[in-house]
Amino acid sequence: DADVTQTPRNRITKTGKRIMLECSQTKGHDRMYWYRQDPGLGLRLIYYSFDVKDINKGEISDGYSVSRQAQAKFSLSLESAIPNQTALYFCATSDLRDRETQYFGPGTRLLVL
Amino acid sequence: DQQVKQNSPSLSVQEGRISILNCDYTNSMFDYFLWYKKYPAEGPTFLISISSIKDKNEDGRFTVFLNKSAKHLSLHIVPSQPGDSAVYFCAASATGTGTASKLTFGTGTRLQVTL
Repeated sequence: DADVTQTPRNRITKTGKRIMLECSQTKGHDRMYWYRQDPGLGLRLIYYSFDVKDINKGEISDGYSVSRQAQAKFSLSLESAIPNQTALYFCATSDLRDRETQYFGPGTRLLVL
Repeated sequence: DQQVKQNSPSLSVQEGRISILNCDYTNSMFDYFLWYKKYPAEGPTFLISISSIKDKNEDGRFTVFLNKSAKHLSLHIVPSQPGDSAVYFCAASATGTGTASKLTFGTGTRLQVTL
């Protein structure tokens, strides 16, 4: 079984719709992250959380919100999706004892029409 | 402002030869560097890392070299195998700052190992 899972794996939505991407992990890590990948731009950090009560904005947080429901769950919401949020979204985790080494989920491919 | 740069979008190497992937950074606060490998339809997977107190780290066929004065690191794969064909991302972290555990990624280099 995968240690970091993301649902859905693919999603098509329309402009203005609210959408939630979910991430779960069984690694027992305290730190979780959301990234987006765009062609030619690499991975960019959207939000990160060091524990359930800690939420921090990343490089490109505008238009996104997150919720850390439990240590193992970290969801990303697009309150009103727009076409330039079409991208590949990755969730990642890391452990305090080896905090720089992040473990990624398989990704969610999102298309906003 | 791209703080971590991978200037070669793609690289093609013959099986058995050495693959050299390069990465440059501009932020002098970066002191920990990682390489990730990504296959299509999968998330990036950790490959190898290096701290700024070292100039070389080796793990099997993979070696990362760090040149702090030039703000440059490279990943060497010897010998290259077809299964190494993937996109490779360089990432950096400033561990001594409040942004510890935040990674800044490069744009990636697509490596193709040909038979």
